[in-house]
Amino acid sequence: ETGVTQTPRHLVMGMTNKKSLKCEQHLGHNAMYWYKQSAKKPLELMFVYNFKEQTENNSVPSRFSPECPNSSHLFLHLHTLQPEDSALYLCASSQDPGGRGYTFGSGTRLTVV
Amino acid sequence: DQQVKQNSPSLSVQEGRISILNCDYTNSMFDYFLWYKKYPAEGPTFLISISSIKDKNEDGRFTVFLNKSAKHLSLHIVPSQPGDSAVYFCAARGLNSGGSNYKLTFGKGTLLTVNP
Repeated sequence: ETGVTQTPRHLVMGMTNKKSLKCEQHLGHNAMYWYKQSAKKPLELMFVYNFKEQTENNSVPSRFSPECPNSSHLFLHLHTLQPEDSALYLCASSQDPGGRGYTFGSGTRLTVV
Repeated sequence: DQQVKQNSPSLSVQEGRISILNCDYTNSMFDYFLWYKKYPAEGPTFLISISSIKDKNEDGRFTVFLNKSAKHLSLHIVPSQPGDSAVYFCAARGLNSGGSNYKLTFGKGTLLTVNP
């Protein structure tokens, strides 16, 4: 357990479903991130939140909708996804944005059918 | 346009030997470089980092070398152990597009296999 907890660990959803990924950290960090890891691609930054405010949206399609109700919790709401959105979604936190030590969760393995 | 490149998708070494993982970058404004290690079914974990003003940082069996003129860094693991088998990601810290915050840019990763 790294201090960043992601649920669920695995998710299979149809293209018309709506689901949410959850991330929780109790490290006292102020910044939280969503990353996408697809096969044979770099880790892709999706969103950054600093003190609950979104500071980065890396041209992510609107079918991905983040929510950060407080500095400890981060959600990624999913709707009308495509099969190519199947990937490992990683949450991370750090003391401050771009902090040298990101702590990652174990990820949610998402499969869109 | 990939700013951080790990051109070797995989590397296989014998236990006890040296593992050298390479990373190239294009943005001269990166100020910090990091290596993360990832086991299957787990998130990446921070391994070692180096500031752009240094050329070497050592931590136990792990040493990172930075060559700024070549925009190249490498991670050396000596001696390599079977437990080191994992995917290693190189990352670099720079400002976001708005210049308001830092962010990390990752490479594709290199799968290291250490054979007993």
